[in-house]
Amino acid sequence: DTGVSQDPRHKITKRGQNVTFRCDPISEHNRLYWYRQTLGQGPEFLTYFQNEAQLEKSRLLSDRFSAERPKGSFSTLEIQRTEQGDSAMYLCASSLAGPNYGYTFGSGTRLTVV
Amino acid sequence: DAKTTQPPSMDCAEGRAANLPCNHSTISGNEYVYWYRQIHSQGPQYIIHGLKNNETNEMASLIITEDRKSSTLILPHATLRDTAVYYCIVRFAGGTSYGKLTFGQGTILTVHP
Repeated sequence: DTGVSQDPRHKITKRGQNVTFRCDPISEHNRLYWYRQTLGQGPEFLTYFQNEAQLEKSRLLSDRFSAERPKGSFSTLEIQRTEQGDSAMYLCASSLAGPNYGYTFGSGTRLTVV
Repeated sequence: DAKTTQPPSMDCAEGRAANLPCNHSTISGNEYVYWYRQIHSQGPQYIIHGLKNNETNEMASLIITEDRKSSTLILPHATLRDTAVYYCIVRFAGGTSYGKLTFGQGTILTVHP
């Protein structure tokens, strides 16, 4: 068990470009979550998957954001036409289903839009 | 999910116990209390959780009051590496949204030498 892996760790992009982040959860975890965190704030929920099904999306997830989890394994988060306000840490977490299981978070991808 | 209230910051001397309070006066019977911490530039780390009873693990102890309206996270012998933001979260234990953790601002704990 190598924990939750996120790639890349850092991404600098120009405004208007598309970016894609990848998350590899703990292999036996069927739930996967994406969060966004800006400086000085707690993480904000974006979306989560149980297996390959996307069960909930926050209204923070505008139509420029899309997430997938094909085959219920790794997940990707794509941001199209990036804006400076998208600059943040994007965190991925995974867990087993059920309220009695904690999340395991990755180290995040730091996105800077210039 | 019930809202939680935590002090914005606390200090603790190295080697002493750190007691971090959390108020969750609107908690309902099917909501768990979770604690996470986040060290600078890392993802949040799970610490402990409980429903009604006090809980202890290798990292910390969780004391939940009998009316469940507040709780305290105890780090028995704080070290410099425990300096972090600590989040108290109430998590609904049913329905399709029960997977979601909602983070607040947390408490910045600073452990001094």
